[in-house]
Amino acid sequence: DAGVTQSPTHLIKTRGQHVTLRCSPISGHKSVSWYQQVLGQGPQFIFQYYEKEERGRGNFPDRFSARQFPNYSSELNVNALLLGDSALYLCASSSAYNEQFFGPGTRLTVL
Amino acid sequence: AQSVTQLGSHVSVSEGALVLLRCNYSSSVPPYLFWYVQYPNQGLQLLLKYTTGATLVKGINGFEAEFKKSETSFHLTKPSAHMSDAAEYFCAVSDNTDKLIFGTGTRLQVFP
Repeated sequence: DAGVTQSPTHLIKTRGQHVTLRCSPISGHKSVSWYQQVLGQGPQFIFQYYEKEERGRGNFPDRFSARQFPNYSSELNVNALLLGDSALYLCASSSAYNEQFFGPGTRLTVL
Repeated sequence: AQSVTQLGSHVSVSEGALVLLRCNYSSSVPPYLFWYVQYPNQGLQLLLKYTTGATLVKGINGFEAEFKKSETSFHLTKPSAHMSDAAEYFCAVSDNTDKLIFGTGTRLQVFP
């Protein structure tokens, strides 16, 4: 079975631009969570979606938004990019409570 | 609020030596605790988790961790390190939701 997939793998943007990151969960998983991992730090929780509804939101500005589609895939959108948004963005899916499986991540570089 | 502290950002051991990675947590509710491993340029892989029940948890690749409520600790151990264990290790805590709170990570180096 395929694991969690994320696209693109790498992305380079300039300040002020907008970016969309995509995630496909493991088949049968209805929950998707997004994390930001800045170099040298642990992942920070951004959002969790379950059955297309937002279930949790971390301490991130409104420039960050997300949504989940009927097939349970998800998009993370970031507007007005800042240099500090450069990070590895991780998507995780789960079915059972607290058993999260992570994708390989999207490396975003903001110049 | 929940938090995790990982003592030691870098740990170096010789191949065959004991691995001990330290994790202390803070939680106002009974915690769920996790250890994840991250290899270079990859996502996170779950090593083991504690939810309820037995406090000694066995995971993949020979790792295990013991939940000690009195010490608010969840240290990760492996009796004999392999070169392939070199990676970044993250301890995480959750309050029964899917939101994981991670520590800052410990980079494990294994020398031949």
